[in-house]
Amino acid sequence: AQKVTQAQTEISVVEKEDVTLDCVYETRDTTYYLFWYKQPPSGELVFLIRRNSFDEQNEISGRYSWNFQKSTSSFNFTITASQVVDSAVYFCALTGNAGGTSYGKLTFGQGTILTVHP
Amino acid sequence: ETGVTQSPTHLIKTRGQQVTLRCSSQSGHNTVSWYQQALGQGPQFIFQYYREEENGRGNFPPRFSGLQFPNYSSELNVNALELDDSALYLCASSLGSGVETQYFGPGTRLLVL
Repeated sequence: AQKVTQAQTEISVVEKEDVTLDCVYETRDTTYYLFWYKQPPSGELVFLIRRNSFDEQNEISGRYSWNFQKSTSSFNFTITASQVVDSAVYFCALTGNAGGTSYGKLTFGQGTILTVHP
Repeated sequence: ETGVTQSPTHLIKTRGQQVTLRCSSQSGHNTVSWYQQALGQGPQFIFQYYREEENGRGNFPPRFSGLQFPNYSSELNVNALELDDSALYLCASSLGSGVETQYFGPGTRLLVL
């Protein structure tokens, strides 16, 4: 079975601080994909990034960066110089070949509530 | 915005009633997945529809059912509503039924009294 753990329930920072959101996953699939989504108060899940299990290169997009380490089954997300607009719930998610059935069931973590204070 | 729309935005029902939620997928997407998100939890996979067929199901009872139409829009039906069905219901569309990125709509907030 697949599992995603986001151990940080809530994080509170002051604007311009850097913040890292942790994500640890479990899967038996050899090929799998990891995602991060942002959920603002409106409720819609906003896609941030998708990474496959064969690509361990870190990725940077503006103030966002992601660190994928297969050896520790982690896919952490860092926001540099945080802003009030970054306040949201962030979800890490996992999908894989699901034992050969190949359907795209996303398994989500519990989410991390990030609050950025001015 | 993703182009995925859901209706209605909010809904209040009483226990035992039936409800239908609707989702229009992003243009060009042929797959719709439904998720239930209880308050303070991550979304839980209900089922997925690919080219009008159910393509996978999570751990939800048969009173949760769905449809996908030729234009790839979809419905989620829940019969015999229970209090625990109160949640945000999210629809996601994707291009293909595998591991493609899923793009979510704004959700329908259902309250069962």
